[in-house]
Amino acid sequence: EAQVTQNPRYLITVTGKKLTVTCSQNMNHEYMSWYRQDPGLGLRQIYYSMNVEVTDKGDVPEGYKVSRKEKRNFPLILESPSPNQTSLYFCASSFLLGALTEAFFGQGTRLTVV
Amino acid sequence: GQQVMQIPQYQHVQEGEDFTTYCNSSTTLSNIQWYKQRPGGHPVFLIQLVKSGEVKKQKRLTFQFGEAKKNSSLHITATQTTDVGTYFCAGRSFFGNEKLTFGTGTRLTIIP
Repeated sequence: EAQVTQNPRYLITVTGKKLTVTCSQNMNHEYMSWYRQDPGLGLRQIYYSMNVEVTDKGDVPEGYKVSRKEKRNFPLILESPSPNQTSLYFCASSFLLGALTEAFFGQGTRLTVV
Repeated sequence: GQQVMQIPQYQHVQEGEDFTTYCNSSTTLSNIQWYKQRPGGHPVFLIQLVKSGEVKKQKRLTFQFGEAKKNSSLHITATQTTDVGTYFCAGRSFFGNEKLTFGTGTRLTIIP
């Protein structure tokens, strides 16, 4: 089954404690991205990647890191989480070229930083 | 950078009434996509529009792409309780770097 898998689904952590949210897709997609969703602000892009070892900042990259060492994985790293990073996070993937480049989303990770 | 705005932010309608959400981009788009997010769920792809002035229908849903490829709309005829959710548009800039920018979303609530 084609899917994007995020883990964990829920996470409560303390300020300053490094954490990683994993994202994996099994569709051989080139494009992967991370979004955060906050009430009234829609989906804001944090980072995106167009292929292995190619990453770029989205609209709200401060406080986040990513890596793309393998095509299927795109982890999101918070080196020193702060309360303003409490949010709902989504990973998404898609093809870059072709007639249809629909984005497939993971189930989401609800992060609370206290 | 590219910005994509949607209006309205919220919409409450009686079941059976029509609903429309509008999407406006600050830049010309190569294509536009629409997604639906059910409460507690993740965004799910609905449709993609590519051509200037394109209109596509999916049952009670009608999608339009503006002539200038900078705006789009989603119209739902005779809403049902299953239409509840947040609708997002998303576009790739015509001159851009393949970055997919999402709109702010319209949250639809149905009053039975």
